[in-house]
Amino acid sequence: AQTVTQSQPEMSVQEAETVTLSCTYDTSESDYYLFWYKQPPSRQMILVIRQEAYKQQNATENRFSVNFQKAAKSFSLKISDSQLGDAAMYFCAYRRYSGAGSYQLTFGKGTKLSVIP
Amino acid sequence: DVKVTQSSRYLVKRTGEKVFLECVQDMDHENMFWYRQDPGLGLRLIYFSYDVKMKEKGDIPEGYSVSREKKERFSLILESASTNQTSMYLCASSQNGEAGYEQYFGPGTRLTVT
Repeated sequence: AQTVTQSQPEMSVQEAETVTLSCTYDTSESDYYLFWYKQPPSRQMILVIRQEAYKQQNATENRFSVNFQKAAKSFSLKISDSQLGDAAMYFCAYRRYSGAGSYQLTFGKGTKLSVIP
Repeated sequence: DVKVTQSSRYLVKRTGEKVFLECVQDMDHENMFWYRQDPGLGLRLIYFSYDVKMKEKGDIPEGYSVSREKKERFSLILESASTNQTSMYLCASSQNGEAGYEQYFGPGTRLTVT
């Protein structure tokens, strides 16, 4: 069974600084997708970034980038130039096949990020 | 823009009541999902559906059932609500297929069972 572990329940970062959120996962598959989702306080969960496992290059989306280490099964999220609006719960997720062409996500327990002005 | 809506943001029910949570998506997605979110536990999948009238159990289906009579609508049913079902419930939808399609989430329903 696939598991996703986020070892940092809470983190904080100074505005304009860089922070890295950790995520490890367990799988026996060779090709899969990984995601980082953001859930701001009292707002909807949205996708931050995704990574396909067979792609060597780390995904980037503006100030957000990942460090994907396939052999180590590690998928960390780096937020550069942190802004107050980055304060949120961040969830790492692994996508697994569930049959009939559909896929489901297994989520980690989340990391609550605070941004200090 | 994909829109996933849930019928209520907040709901208070009594123990033993039958509870319906409704979710509607407007992007013709094949897949729909119900999660519950609890502090320190993350999101856990209750049920999902990959087609009309099709349903599959997730990781924590006990005490819940679902209904999908139309493609855009996915309902979560608590047959006899209990206090341990007090939680935030999130609905999501996604396209079918191998490409890394994301799941789009609704705003959530915070259910309190007293």
